[in-house]
Amino acid sequence: GAVVSQHPSWVICKSGTSVKIECRSLDFQATTMFWYRQFPKQSLMLMATSNEGSKATYEQGVEKDKFLINHASLTLSTLTVTSAHPEDSSFYICSARPSGAFSYEQYFGPGTRLTVT
Amino acid sequence: GQNIDQPTEMTATEGAIVQINCTYQTSGFNGLFWYQQHAGEAPTFLSYNVLDGLEEKGRFSSFLSRSKGYSYLLLKELQMKDSASYLCAVRDQGDSSYKLIFGSGTRLLVRP
Repeated sequence: GAVVSQHPSWVICKSGTSVKIECRSLDFQATTMFWYRQFPKQSLMLMATSNEGSKATYEQGVEKDKFLINHASLTLSTLTVTSAHPEDSSFYICSARPSGAFSYEQYFGPGTRLTVT
Repeated sequence: GQNIDQPTEMTATEGAIVQINCTYQTSGFNGLFWYQQHAGEAPTFLSYNVLDGLEEKGRFSSFLSRSKGYSYLLLKELQMKDSASYLCAVRDQGDSSYKLIFGSGTRLLVRP
């Protein structure tokens, strides 16, 4: 089956520093990847849609200068949380949609737990 | 606007049947998904409905009524491992990005 990995699985950083999270599709190509944030006992909130070779599309209320997204290849998207603050502490999950007109599924990565101290 | 409603929590007994409802009001519709998510883990795909009716897959079935903006996930022969959150998600029609809008999720507790 389709596998999506994320790295790191968890990270602790100090307030004011930046953290990069990688999302990789291991056995398929993904033109489109999505980044979600999930707070405890809440559902997934879409942050942005990442398209290979073009700028990401951010959801309303998500600061594009704070959450930098790069989708440099068909198998890798990165999310960089810049100048992180404690309120950015959350579970960040990516998903990838296989390239192809008839693919409706998204495959989720295992998530990255970010704690900002 | 986009609005997807699910019950917050449900409790059921091992071996029983449980139905988790989802109602949606979205600007468009191009498919409804159900995902299972265990605490601290990523969601896993359960089902996809785009036409009205029932889709059955083993112990899990999902139903859709587009005219009513309604779906349910039916879990039969409940097992303890089915204790998890169940997420309903809708894909907006005409959105070529295939992005999903998630409901708040339903936490299901299966008791012995």
